[in-house]
Amino acid sequence: GAVVSQHPSRVICKSGTSVKIECRSLDFQATTMFWYRQFPKKSLMLMATSNEGSKATYEQGVEKDKFLINHASLTLSTLTVTSAHPEDSSFYICSARRGAYNEQFFGPGTRLTVL
Amino acid sequence: GENVEQHPSTLSVQEGDSAVIKCTYSDSASNYFPWYKQELGKGPQLIIDIRSNVGEKKDQRIAVTLNKTAKHFSLHITETQPEDSAVYFCAASSGVGDAGGTSYGKLTFGQGTILTVHP
Repeated sequence: GAVVSQHPSRVICKSGTSVKIECRSLDFQATTMFWYRQFPKKSLMLMATSNEGSKATYEQGVEKDKFLINHASLTLSTLTVTSAHPEDSSFYICSARRGAYNEQFFGPGTRLTVL
Repeated sequence: GENVEQHPSTLSVQEGDSAVIKCTYSDSASNYFPWYKQELGKGPQLIIDIRSNVGEKKDQRIAVTLNKTAKHFSLHITETQPEDSAVYFCAASSGVGDAGGTSYGKLTFGQGTILTVHP
């Protein structure tokens, strides 16, 4: 159990376009999902906390207008990178919190390349 | 906020040896400490976790110990195998519904340890 999927796994886009990444908890409901960014050989950097039915909470330094997060249901959260630029190229990973405890299960990640 | 330090950054062992990775945390309110294994190009996988009301937890070849007084916790892998080679991350969380009511259980990660197990 506790499977989290992400789609797409890889995306290449042109500078200035927008990209949407989906995160789904497949076998449990997740009131809270998290979005991370990871640079090569670095740790995970939390971008925002996504709560079902409410606005996301962004970490300091993360542009909320650039990284739009929607958590419309208990099994789906989306991250939209708007007007992407080459510096947005990165590995984006979501996680979903299960139950009353803090167990977080991660998706397989999405490799974004902006040309 | 919470700060988690992880050591060593790289660890190389021979197959069959044990591996130990250590983490320290700063926030005494933290009460949940998971460990993740991340293989190249994949998302982190939860391998074991421990809560602050427990001092040690084992799952086959993997164990985690927690010292709340010293604010440190460790991952122990025994009888290492080449497939254990990966990046390991520790993390700490102060829990859902904390005093501020806004952390929603967010995790603070250590810097990661690259474990290489040589056949």
